[in-house]
Amino acid sequence: QIQMVQSGGEVKKPGASVKVSCKTSGYPFTNHGINWVRQAPGQGLEWMGWISAYNGNTKYIEKLQGRITMTIDKSTSTAYMELSPLRGDDTAVYYCARDLGVAGLQDWGQGTLVIVSS
Amino acid sequence: QSALTQPPSASGSLGQSVTISCTGTSNDVGGYNYVSWYQQSPGKAPKLLIYEVSNRPPGVSTRFSGSKSGNTASLTISGLLAEDEADYYCSSFTGSSTWVFGGGTKVTVL
Repeated sequence: QIQMVQSGGEVKKPGASVKVSCKTSGYPFTNHGINWVRQAPGQGLEWMGWISAYNGNTKYIEKLQGRITMTIDKSTSTAYMELSPLRGDDTAVYYCARDLGVAGLQDWGQGTLVIVSS
Repeated sequence: QSALTQPPSASGSLGQSVTISCTGTSNDVGGYNYVSWYQQSPGKAPKLLIYEVSNRPPGVSTRFSGSKSGNTASLTISGLLAEDEADYYCSSFTGSSTWVFGGGTKVTVL
């Protein structure tokens, strides 16, 4: 079955960087894009961006431009999301999700809690 | 890109129906048939319920249905069960080739 397994939680100081991984299995990795979505404590979902697992093309939301980098490793079917420099309002659970093209986000990782605190 | 507008809460009695609205603009909901709906239980990852306005992925109950009129999409849950208590989010593809979510609706089963 399809699995999206994310790396463990992190505690970071403001100004630091964090890199979250999303290891996939159970489907042809290059056939679907990977999206990243975050959820601040008690808040709603925020789409952060997308990366093509086929060619590495990316699309980020404007507010994160310059701070976010999404990458893939085809050899291990793993996607990565790096955010730097971190701010307090980046504290959130970060999810990766496999897309059905533009139709929706089908399979989700378990989430990675990133806490940014001095 | 502003978030789509959902009511913060909705409720219905066991066995009844509840409908959640999701209002956007012609640049997202109204312009594309790429509206999806997600269910999120506390502490869990979201689960895809509906994609492309009204399609259900395999394994999703037929009690969940979606529709769209103009700039507003809707999710209807029929025959409410206690297990339907959760947060529900709509999402739409946009003209900027991005995705935008609604603020979420907490459904309470009375």
